[in-house]
This record gives sequence, C-alpha cells and structure tokens, in this order.
Amino acid sequence: AQKITQTQPGMFVQEKEAVTLDCTYDTSDPSYGLFWYKQPSSGEMIFLIYQGSYDQQNATEGRYSLNFQKARKSANLVISASQLGDSAMYFCAMSRIRILGSNYKLTFGKGTLLTVNP
Amino acid sequence: ETGVTQTPRHLVMGMTNKKSLKCEQHLGHNAMYWYKQSAKKPLELMFVYSLEERVENNSVPSRFSPECPNSSHLFLHLHTLQPEDSALYLCASSQELTGSTDTQYFGPGTRLTVL
Repeated sequence: AQKITQTQPGMFVQEKEAVTLDCTYDTSDPSYGLFWYKQPSSGEMIFLIYQGSYDQQNATEGRYSLNFQKARKSANLVISASQLGDSAMYFCAMSRIRILGSNYKLTFGKGTLLTVNP
Repeated sequence: ETGVTQTPRHLVMGMTNKKSLKCEQHLGHNAMYWYKQSAKKPLELMFVYSLEERVENNSVPSRFSPECPNSSHLFLHLHTLQPEDSALYLCASSQELTGSTDTQYFGPGTRLTVL
C-alpha cells in the first residue's frame, strides 16, 4: 500500500520569500509518480508539478520545484518568490507506474495550509 | 469553456431529496473520476470511468450512483443521503487510465450540505 505524509498542517511565509512544503512517502512499488496539487479556498484542485521515480533530474515548473530525494523517500515542494495568491492548501500525492493495471489510483496526503503574508 | 467544469458549485439538500451532480471535461480525455473530500481527511476516490465503462467502485454506498453517458460527461446521482455525506465532491479527468504520467485534472468541486 502507498502512503503520503505531510507533517506540516500549516506554514507561513513572507511575500517574495521561498518556502518548502514537506512530503514523505512510503511504497513498495519500484516505480511510482509523485504529484503536487494546490487547492485555493474556491475548492478547485490545481495540478502543479510531477516527478517520476526514475527521473534523473528534479522537476521544475516556473516558481515550483520538487526536491526529490529517493533514498529518503521525500518529495518536498519548493515555491520561490512567494506571492499572495499562493495562499492555499497544498497536497502531495503519488501513483503507481505499471505497464498494465491500475496506475490511476492517486494516494493523497492530508495537505499543508500555506499562508503568504504581505 | 476549458478544463473541467462542475455544476452546481453549491448544493443543500434534505435527506429525502434526489439530486444530481454534473461534471464535464473539455480536454478530450478518456478517463473520469469522482472524489470525495471531507474535512480533515485525505481525498477519497469514489468512482473511475474509462471510455464510459466503470472500472472502479471503491466501496461506495449505493445512495451514490454514477453515470457516464459519454467520455466528456460524468454524473453523480444522489438519493437518501446522510448528514455525514456532506463534503466537497471533486470530479477529475485524465488522458488515459494506465499511465502514471497521465495527470488528473480537477474541476472546482460541488460543496454539498445534507441537512
């Protein structure tokens, strides 16, 4: 079974500073995918970034980067130059990678509420 | 419209009512999902459809009945719900079902309150 742990229920950051949101995972699968989603108060779950377990480089998407440490089973999200609009819940999730079968099941963590202060 | 849309955005219903939630995706995807998000709990996968066929029913009570008439539309029919069913119901879609790189894209959700 897969498990995602997000140990920070809430985080605060000053506008324009960088912030790291923690995510650790547990799986017995040799191959897996890791995702981060952002959920503003409006409710929509917005896809931010993806990292495959065999990707050699850490994923980056604009101001978002994923600090992937496979041996530690961690996939922390780094947001650079925080903006007020970054205030939201952030969810880490993972899925299996299989040639055939149920790859689609996303396992989500409980989320971290990020507040960006002006 | 683009992306994944859901209607209504908010719904209040009594325990004896029958209502339906609608999801529509404009991404040309083949797989669609219903999730339930309750307060302080991780997202729970409820149903999965691939090419209009249900491939997952994650031990969901029969008072929730999904329908997928085509690959762009997904419904969740609700009847005789309980107050504990109050939650945010999220719809998602992905290009295919079998690749982990097939990112799931979510709609804005329907916030359901059962009185």
